Amino acid sequence: NAGVTQTPKFQVLKTGQSMTLQCAQDMNHNSMYWYRQDPGMGLRLIYYSASEGTTDKGEVPNGYNVSRLNKREFSLRLESAAPSQTSVYFCASRAPGQGILEQFFGPGTRLTVL
Amino acid sequence: AQTVTQSQPEMSVQEAETVTLSCTYDTSENNYYLFWYKQPPSRQMILVIRQEAYKQQNATENRFSVNFQKAAKSFSLKISDSQLGDTAMYFCAFMKLLNYGGSQGNLIFGKGTKLSVKP
Repeated sequence: NAGVTQTPKFQVLKTGQSMTLQCAQDMNHNSMYWYRQDPGMGLRLIYYSASEGTTDKGEVPNGYNVSRLNKREFSLRLESAAPSQTSVYFCASRAPGQGILEQFFGPGTRLTVL
Repeated sequence: AQTVTQSQPEMSVQEAETVTLSCTYDTSENNYYLFWYKQPPSRQMILVIRQEAYKQQNATENRFSVNFQKAAKSFSLKISDSQLGDTAMYFCAFMKLLNYGGSQGNLIFGKGTKLSVKP
């Protein structure tokens, strides 16, 4: 049981390049989330998916797109990377059911945009 | 909109002593949850403790306990018998329940407090 996995762990991009961050969970969770963490800041929600087939914007969605490929996988795409998107990106998931509110986090992806 | 404020950017404590981290939040909601997450140098986010707003009793998990003051919108974390492994960033987080029945909610984080435990 690997929990939440993210690939890659590190990535350097040039301005204007595109890339997709991958996230997968093997806990049969319904909800999945993408956050970014900037220096001196807490995590901020980019997008989330309450269940397979649905996605919604979070606090900072501009410049990103997401795909909930199936129940296990939730990817984050940067179509044209900008230096302002340099950050650490975390994926998280949560189990279904009322009262089960803990989000389990992946190890993060450190992205640098030059 | 909900906001979470952690007024102590950095704190330090001697091993085996007790330390309290502060957190205040702003919301007009009545039904919500509060969390403390720990982020060690490995960057992994680890849930430390959670509190349901409708519960008056303060949550406790081993050496970790909270002081939840709903009227004051305050949610502090007390770490007793501090250990070197407690060195980490600590984030306070608020979750508003998005739908009736409480099956969906998104986390709003404070900026964190960097805790150093000294030998």
